[in-house]
Amino acid sequence: GENVEQHPSTLSVQEGDSAVIKCTYSDSASNYFPWYKQELGKRPQLIIDIRSNVGEKKDQRIAVTLNKTAKHFSLHITETQPEDSAVYFCAAGLLNTGNQFYFGTGTSLTVIP
Amino acid sequence: GAVVSQHPSWVICKSGTSVKIECRSLDFQATTMFWYRQFPKQSLMLMATSNEGSKATYEQGVEKDKFLINHASLTLSTLTVTSAHPEDSSFYICSARDGTGGTYEQYFGPGTRLTVT
Repeated sequence: GENVEQHPSTLSVQEGDSAVIKCTYSDSASNYFPWYKQELGKRPQLIIDIRSNVGEKKDQRIAVTLNKTAKHFSLHITETQPEDSAVYFCAAGLLNTGNQFYFGTGTSLTVIP
Repeated sequence: GAVVSQHPSWVICKSGTSVKIECRSLDFQATTMFWYRQFPKQSLMLMATSNEGSKATYEQGVEKDKFLINHASLTLSTLTVTSAHPEDSSFYICSARDGTGGTYEQYFGPGTRLTVT
């Protein structure tokens, strides 16, 4: 089955700096890579996703890059704000088969004001 | 839109009893729902995929006889933890996929905290 690794497990940045979270996956068939943000005590919420036919996607301060050859993808948050503090999960999925998502181990991001 | 609810939000039960957790999609039809288990400060571990009108698909290592899943309608999936033991104590969270919108996003429920004494 799919195995997703995520680094770092914790990340602290100063407000205004950038944050980068990296993930690798094992199943080359995976073709969908969502990122979820989970604030304390709340449910995970999708913040951005990318499909395997795209190398990069950006949405305001958030961007995701995908390297299919190396089987890794990254989340980039620029101009971080205190409200960005949360746990971020990457996931890898195989669409149109079972559509299951396999999640990484999570990154606890703290943005220091 | 795309709201998923879970009930109960928390439950305490005695060892050996069974507990049922409900997952509902409130404003969309979910042909597929997923059940996850989340340990404190850890990731979401996929337990099983619940398909409306058919048997659930369990991930490797998940006991299907212990974690019974029923997806009887397009808006409801249930997870029953049978003969619960303390090691089953965990946070169980479901998600649902709205297959009609052309997206692949999974919408998560708020989770259920199960404590087995």
